[in-house]
Amino acid sequence: DTEVTQTPKHLVMGMTNKKSLKCEQHMGHRAMYWYKQKAKKPPELMFVYSYEKLSINESVPSRFSPECPNSSLLNLHLHALQPEDSALYLCASSQTATRGNSYEQYFGPGTRLTVT
Amino acid sequence: RKEVEQDPGPFNVPEGATVAFNCTYSNSASQSFFWYRQDCRKEPKLLMSVYSSGNEDGRFTAQLNRASQYISLLIRDSKLSDSATYLCVVNPARGNTPLVFGKGTRLSVIA
Repeated sequence: DTEVTQTPKHLVMGMTNKKSLKCEQHMGHRAMYWYKQKAKKPPELMFVYSYEKLSINESVPSRFSPECPNSSLLNLHLHALQPEDSALYLCASSQTATRGNSYEQYFGPGTRLTVT
Repeated sequence: RKEVEQDPGPFNVPEGATVAFNCTYSNSASQSFFWYRQDCRKEPKLLMSVYSSGNEDGRFTAQLNRASQYISLLIRDSKLSDSATYLCVVNPARGNTPLVFGKGTRLSVIA
């Protein structure tokens, strides 16, 4: 089973709202990722969690706040977003460096976010 | 030089055709290589990992040439359902380092 689930599928929020995106995987992967994807562009990495600890933050503005409550869950808290933050937000997971040499990432279906 | 370069296409081919995509990467220390396909408004889905010996999965064949820093994907007997964007993806180091994505090559298979 290579399924990563994300909720909600679509989200419309105002610039003063606070919302959260959720991601879940049950593949035993210990690395989880948040990506942002704009139309006709490849995914851009935002954050990496490894063993529930934040290991990479690609200089993401603080209005995006990630959280990893346990090894299966990854959240992205959103606050005071701008219209240019509208995009597809993708979660992914992979095995970690201590297991095997292949680090394929498996993506969830994404949350399509519109900021008004 | 961009880290991962792909011809953006679009490639418009008839059903049954054979089509090849190429990708070059700039970091010679890169460790792992992948092809993903992405349908419009959907997430990237892993198509194949790419190994030095080359690998085949049905109609799809991937090749890696480390000396030339070049990856290819060959699709034989194209189907309408193969229409998608194909992303060349490189892991520049061991472990959970950020993947580097090419900009993708758009394929349209026409009846």
